[in-house]
Amino acid sequence: DVKVTQSSRYLVKRTGEKVFLECVQDMDHENMFWYRQDPGLGLRLIYFSYDVKMKEKGDIPEGYSVSREKKERFSLILESASTNQTSMYLCASSLSGRAYEQYFGPGTRLTVT
Amino acid sequence: DQQVKQNSPSLSVQEGRISILNCDYTNSMFDYFLWYKKYPAEGPTFLISISSIKDKNEDGRFTVFLNKSAKHLSLHIVPSQPGDSAVYFCAAHPLVNQFYFGTGTSLTVIP
Repeated sequence: DVKVTQSSRYLVKRTGEKVFLECVQDMDHENMFWYRQDPGLGLRLIYFSYDVKMKEKGDIPEGYSVSREKKERFSLILESASTNQTSMYLCASSLSGRAYEQYFGPGTRLTVT
Repeated sequence: DQQVKQNSPSLSVQEGRISILNCDYTNSMFDYFLWYKKYPAEGPTFLISISSIKDKNEDGRFTVFLNKSAKHLSLHIVPSQPGDSAVYFCAAHPLVNQFYFGTGTSLTVIP
């Protein structure tokens, strides 16, 4: 059974804190993605990684960075969390060449107070 | 600005009938489209895709239709089953690192 896991289901952080969201996949997928989902806006791509140490900006990368040191793990970093980063964060992975067929984790609901 | 729009936030259908979920897009250069299904407390799961070289793609009970001139696609589910109750997202995938998702339509199939 394919699996994408995210480190936390719910997270509460304070404004200005550095926040790490971790994602691990066990499918040996080359591609990994980070999205945020907000009411009325759908899913928006933050960053995409197609290989270890490789990354591409998505639609809304501002205020975020990512790290992919190992193939199975993709981290999203909020250097200084702000209230407008309160959102549901979803991680996904896919095979190279099949980026359209993504396997998603269950999401992390992040609240920044 | 939303590049992919799902104007119906919700839809209710009787079991056994057809469900039709609609999606519009703004950019005529978009050439690949996806549908995902999402159950509560789970991540979305890939359902079906269509390339702009086709106007129809079928997978079992699910069929996606693409009307390029109208910049419109639709997902048909026939027959609808209670297990199909979920939120459905359409998305455009113009480049390897570009995905534009709609806001979703919540489908309820009534037994």
